[in-house]
Amino acid sequence: AQKITQTQPGMFVQEKEAVTLDCTYDTSDQSYGLFWYKQPSSGEMIFLIYQGSYDEQNATEGRYSLNFQKARKSANLVISASQLGDSAMYFCAMPALIFGKGTTLSVSS
Amino acid sequence: EAGVAQSPRYKIIEKRQSVAFWCNPISGHATLYWYQQILGQGPKLLIQFQNNGVVDDSQLPKDRFSAERLKGVDSTLKIQPAKLEDSAVYLCASSLQEGWTEAFFGQGTRLTVV
Repeated sequence: AQKITQTQPGMFVQEKEAVTLDCTYDTSDQSYGLFWYKQPSSGEMIFLIYQGSYDEQNATEGRYSLNFQKARKSANLVISASQLGDSAMYFCAMPALIFGKGTTLSVSS
Repeated sequence: EAGVAQSPRYKIIEKRQSVAFWCNPISGHATLYWYQQILGQGPKLLIQFQNNGVVDDSQLPKDRFSAERLKGVDSTLKIQPAKLEDSAVYLCASSLQEGWTEAFFGQGTRLTVV
């Protein structure tokens, strides 16, 4: 069975700082992928970034990058230069979209 | 491209009543998911369809919840009878195929059972 663990219930950063949101996973599959989603207070789930287990380079999408360490079974999301609009809940997930409990990120000015 | 459509957005019912939610996925998306998200928690997968067949319904409380996806397009999720603990946001998502592709989510239906 697959499992996602997010141990940080809340993170607080100031604008323009970088922040790392932790995610560890457990799976017996040889080939798998990790997703990160953002959920603002309005409730919609927004796809941010995806990393496949056989991808050699860490995924990057704009200010989002994924620090993927396969041996440690971790897939941490790094947000560079935080913005006020980044305040939201962030979820790590695996196909078939098994979600972690989420981390609430609060960005202050 | 139209997104995943869900209705209603909000619903308040009394316990023991029944309720139904509707989802229309993105055109061409074979895989459809229903999730239950209790406030402050991550979404919990209730059921996954591949076209009109069920792939996974292991976490669906089948004594009160049912879901169908006739013709492999839109889907309905029903709760009968509702309990107080069913109060949650019900999210529908769809993806082109199972597993590896990005899933797109609807706005969700916020259910309050009183």
